[in-house]
Amino acid sequence: SQQGEEDPQALSIQEGENATMNCSYKTSINNLQWYRQNSGRGLVHLILIRSNEREKHSGRLRVTLDTSKKSSSLLITASRAADTASYFCATDYLTGANSKLTFGKGITLSVRP
Amino acid sequence: DVKVTQSSRYLVKRTGEKVFLECVQDMDHENMFWYRQDPGLGLRLIYFSYDVKMKEKGDIPEGYSVSREKKERFSLILESASTNQTSMYLCASSSHPFNYGYTFGSGTRLTVV
Repeated sequence: SQQGEEDPQALSIQEGENATMNCSYKTSINNLQWYRQNSGRGLVHLILIRSNEREKHSGRLRVTLDTSKKSSSLLITASRAADTASYFCATDYLTGANSKLTFGKGITLSVRP
Repeated sequence: DVKVTQSSRYLVKRTGEKVFLECVQDMDHENMFWYRQDPGLGLRLIYFSYDVKMKEKGDIPEGYSVSREKKERFSLILESASTNQTSMYLCASSSHPFNYGYTFGSGTRLTVV
C-alpha cells in the first residue's frame, strides 16, 4: 500500500527542547494528518493540513507541508514529559468520491524529564 | 464527549473460533474503519464502510469480514481465528465529506492461542 514514511523512527529529547518529526509520501494527496498514540491506546488526531496549505499551528504544534517534495514535518515546541508517545502521519490519497487514510509506521518520541 | 467504543479491551480466543469485534460510534459519522496494528508494520486497513450495509476491502481483508447493519455500529468478524491474527485492532470513524480527522476507539488487543 502507499504509506507515508516517518523519520526518524525514534527520537529522544530533554524536556523543554523542540521535537521535529518528518513524513514523506509518494503520490498526490487530499490532506495529511498527524496522530499521537500513547502506549497501548487508540490514536488521537492532532492536526490536519490540506494540500493547498503550507503551514498550520495548533497550540505547541506546528505542521508544514511541501507538496513539491511530498513531505511534511511536525514540530512540537517546548516539549513535556507528557508528550512521550508514538506519532503517526497519515495521508488521505485521492480515491474518487470517498477517501481513506493510509498510516506510516510511526515515530517513538521520548521526552526525558 | 464524542466517542468510538470498542466492546472489549482484551480478548483471548482459541484457534478456529469465530470472533466478533464490535465498534460503536455516537457521532453520526458515515465512515467507519477497521485497522490492525502490529509492531514494525504500523496500521494496516482491513475493511471500511462509507454507509450502512456497504463495505469495501482494505489492504489486508483476507480472513476477515465485516457487518454494518446500523450506521453507528461496525463489526469485524474473524471467521476462523488463527494465531497470525493476534494483534491490536483499532476501529475509527469520520464524517463525510472527509475534512476532519478520524476518531479512534481505545483498541482491542486480541490474542489467539
